[in-house]
Amino acid sequence: GAVVSQHPSRVICKSGTSVKIECRSLDFQATTMFWYRQFPKQSLMLMATSNEGSKATYEQGVEKDKFLINHASLTLSTLTVASAHPEDSSFYICSARTAEIGNTIYFGEGSWLTVV
Amino acid sequence: GEDVEQSLFLSVREGDSSVINCTYTDSSSTYLYWYKQEPGAGLQLLTYIFSNMDMKQDQRLTVLLNKKDKHLSLRIADTQTGDSAIYFCAESPLGNTPLVFGKGTRLSVIA
Repeated sequence: GAVVSQHPSRVICKSGTSVKIECRSLDFQATTMFWYRQFPKQSLMLMATSNEGSKATYEQGVEKDKFLINHASLTLSTLTVASAHPEDSSFYICSARTAEIGNTIYFGEGSWLTVV
Repeated sequence: GEDVEQSLFLSVREGDSSVINCTYTDSSSTYLYWYKQEPGAGLQLLTYIFSNMDMKQDQRLTVLLNKKDKHLSLRIADTQTGDSAIYFCAESPLGNTPLVFGKGTRLSVIA
């Protein structure tokens, strides 16, 4: 099946620093990418939707200045957590939609962020 | 609004069949999905069904869709311990909108 790759899979950073997470569609072009956050034992919370070349659309309650999303190409989207704090520690998952495969959505492996 | 409901837990014995149920509210959903999440991992697409289908079978997996009742089920035949995971049901409303997820069903397989 289609592959979506996230990097890094785990990252530990100091409070106040910024962290970038990459999401790549390896064998297809992603018309749209979605970023989710997942708290332990909970479902996924949609953070934002991004289309290539345009600004991301953020869900209510998600700070756009803190969670910076750049969808630079049809195969790459990045999430930057600016000035991270311990409460930002979470599992972040991206997904990509492709019209090439029946409009199906594929997920990355997720990135564990720990802010100390 | 859109809403997807799933039972939170299911426990089955190894070798038995598992049936995970899901209800959704958006009748305009075009695709309905089942994802599997193992501990600490991302979501793995298991299967999906287009809204004009009633059933889809893929090896041990059978998806049944009752569009009238807005009910979706995933049956796993001959359940194995490796099937222990959280299973998410998701619907895709019309247009380029994100998936709407259920809270996930935690499947425990007892050896």
